[in-house]
Amino acid sequence: GESVGLHLPTLSVQEGDNSIINCAYSNSASDYFIWYKQESGKGPQFIIDIRSNMDKRQGQRVTVLLNKTVKHLSLQIAATQPGDSAVYFCAGKNYGGSQGNLIFGKGTKLSVKP
Amino acid sequence: GAVVSQHPSRVICKSGTSVKIECRSLDFQATTMFWYRQFPKKSLMLMATSNEGSKATYEQGVEKDKFLINHASLTLSTLTVTSAHPEDSSFYICSARATSQETQYFGPGTRLLVL
Repeated sequence: GESVGLHLPTLSVQEGDNSIINCAYSNSASDYFIWYKQESGKGPQFIIDIRSNMDKRQGQRVTVLLNKTVKHLSLQIAATQPGDSAVYFCAGKNYGGSQGNLIFGKGTKLSVKP
Repeated sequence: GAVVSQHPSRVICKSGTSVKIECRSLDFQATTMFWYRQFPKKSLMLMATSNEGSKATYEQGVEKDKFLINHASLTLSTLTVTSAHPEDSSFYICSARATSQETQYFGPGTRLLVL
């Protein structure tokens, strides 16, 4: 079956360091992926997306890398700040669903140490 | 842009009563809206997908008579939890997807507590 998963449930980094959050997916037909940030008690917030015709996409302090060969994507956060502390979810488009909904990974909790 | 609101943000109700949660796309038209449920420290679980003007599609294991969904306009979808029980207590989150787009934007969530 199709799945999207995260390698590590928690990640602790020092303020100012770079953070890398990884995600693996199983359906090679997936062609669209999104990273979301969810703070405690709030809904997921869109960070960045990427289509399968790209290997890399950059936003403000964030970069998403997509490796279709090994079905892996990562989110890199530069100069991590305390405000980046949250749970990060990767999501992939579900081609098994009729509505093209997203399948979410389990989430990685990022903690930033001051 | 791409703002989605939910109302109420928090609700406490007695067992056996019904609760309605509204999801609105404020600055775009959402042909499709999704309803999720999230348990503490868990990922999002898709409950149903609603398309404007048609019946919602429910995921396996989700009771359609228990969780009534209405998507009457391109900016509003509602989820009604009927005859709520304590086990329905959860964080309910909606998302909206604009016409011909793939990105889903999420609402802030509704915390439901059934006593």
